[in-house]
Amino acid sequence: TQLLEQSPQFLSIQEGENLTVYCNSSSVFSSLQWYRQEPGEGPVLLVTVVTGGEVKKLKRLTFQFGDARKDSSLHITAAQPGDTGLYLCAGAWYSGGGADGLTFGKGTHLIIQP
Amino acid sequence: DAGVIQSPRHEVTEMGQEVTLRCKPISGHNSLFWYRQTMMRGLELLIYFNNNVPIDDSGMPEDRFSAKMPNASFSTLKIQPSEPRDSAVYFCASQRPDRGYEQYFGPGTRLTVT
Repeated sequence: TQLLEQSPQFLSIQEGENLTVYCNSSSVFSSLQWYRQEPGEGPVLLVTVVTGGEVKKLKRLTFQFGDARKDSSLHITAAQPGDTGLYLCAGAWYSGGGADGLTFGKGTHLIIQP
Repeated sequence: DAGVIQSPRHEVTEMGQEVTLRCKPISGHNSLFWYRQTMMRGLELLIYFNNNVPIDDSGMPEDRFSAKMPNASFSTLKIQPSEPRDSAVYFCASQRPDRGYEQYFGPGTRLTVT
């Protein structure tokens, strides 16, 4: 069973600060995704990383996939109150026979205080 | 385009009653996933379908849970009989055949079993 550990579980910082959230596993994934979930809604996909060492940027968010494809990080620069939410990482394993399920971490609850 | 549609959004029922949750995936998506989310366990994959065929139901907690996908545009998750420990938010997600790693989630059904 593939497991994903996310840290920290909770994070509350002031507007304008930088932060990094981590996602670690003992398994090698075909790809890793980051989702953001707001209260009362479903998770929304932010980014998918596939290649070891890959770095993707989405405005103030920088996502990195570890060289061994076992870990990932999300870095937010100059956090804003609108970044508040639950950030989930999810690992995918693709058997080639069709879509397979995602294994989700338990998430990081992020609060950005004005 | 409409996103994944789930109904009902909220369900309150008494222990022992049958509960049916419904999902309409995004048109053209050929994979459908059912997840359950709780504070304690996070997001857990229950079952998923490829081209209407159940592929992996190992996440279904017990025989009280069953899922069907009679056609490409409709799926149900049924709990019979329901128990208080089934209280959670249940999400349905769908996936395109050409973007194997990207899942689109519905808004979820919040189930409370008293």
